[in-house]
Amino acid sequence: DSGVTQTPKHLITATGQRVTLRCSPRSGDLSVYWYQQSLDQGLQFLIQYYNGEERAKGNILERFSAQQFPDLHSELNLSSLELGDSALYFCASSQGPAYNSPLHFGNGTRLTVT
Amino acid sequence: EDQVTQSPEALRLQEGESSSLNCSYTVSGLRGLFWYRQDPGKGPEFLFTLYSAGEEKEKERLKATLTKKESFLHITAPKPEDSATYLCAVQDGSSNTGKLIFGQGTTLQVKP
Repeated sequence: DSGVTQTPKHLITATGQRVTLRCSPRSGDLSVYWYQQSLDQGLQFLIQYYNGEERAKGNILERFSAQQFPDLHSELNLSSLELGDSALYFCASSQGPAYNSPLHFGNGTRLTVT
Repeated sequence: EDQVTQSPEALRLQEGESSSLNCSYTVSGLRGLFWYRQDPGKGPEFLFTLYSAGEEKEKERLKATLTKKESFLHITAPKPEDSATYLCAVQDGSSNTGKLIFGQGTTLQVKP
């Protein structure tokens, strides 16, 4: 058990809808990262937050947004969903903003857009 | 641009048959190279971090090594429970972020 908790585990929704994915980092970790994993793309970095502030941005679509709250949990909001957004979404956490320490991953949320 | 390439894409071994997985990388300034194991439907599980060329790390039947351009994950006498996808990732020291750039992974199947 990595200590990173993601909810829900599964999400099925229709095109055009909006969903929110939630992540609680490991105790003591201040950084939260969001990744998308699809069969043809592998693990793609979306965004990082450190202690409530955006730290780095990757290949995140404008329809997607994220935030980290004062209690350090994070939410990833996906709107105007398309079929191609179906994927596994992982959250990971680490202690610092840019340390050479490993990221610890949750077990992901599987999103299916129909 | 940072890039990580893993080979082979898939590997089938008999139990006890040792082999190696390769990870080639291009990065501005390597802060760390990471190996993860991922089981189906689960998140990646951290295995090793390597920081400089010549470094080696071991854990049970796994041994990771690092050169200036690539890393190898050696699997000695594998067992069926070693079957998983192995992911390699790099952390770029020239960027002020802890994000990891991942390769596509090598899916290992070990048959009894």
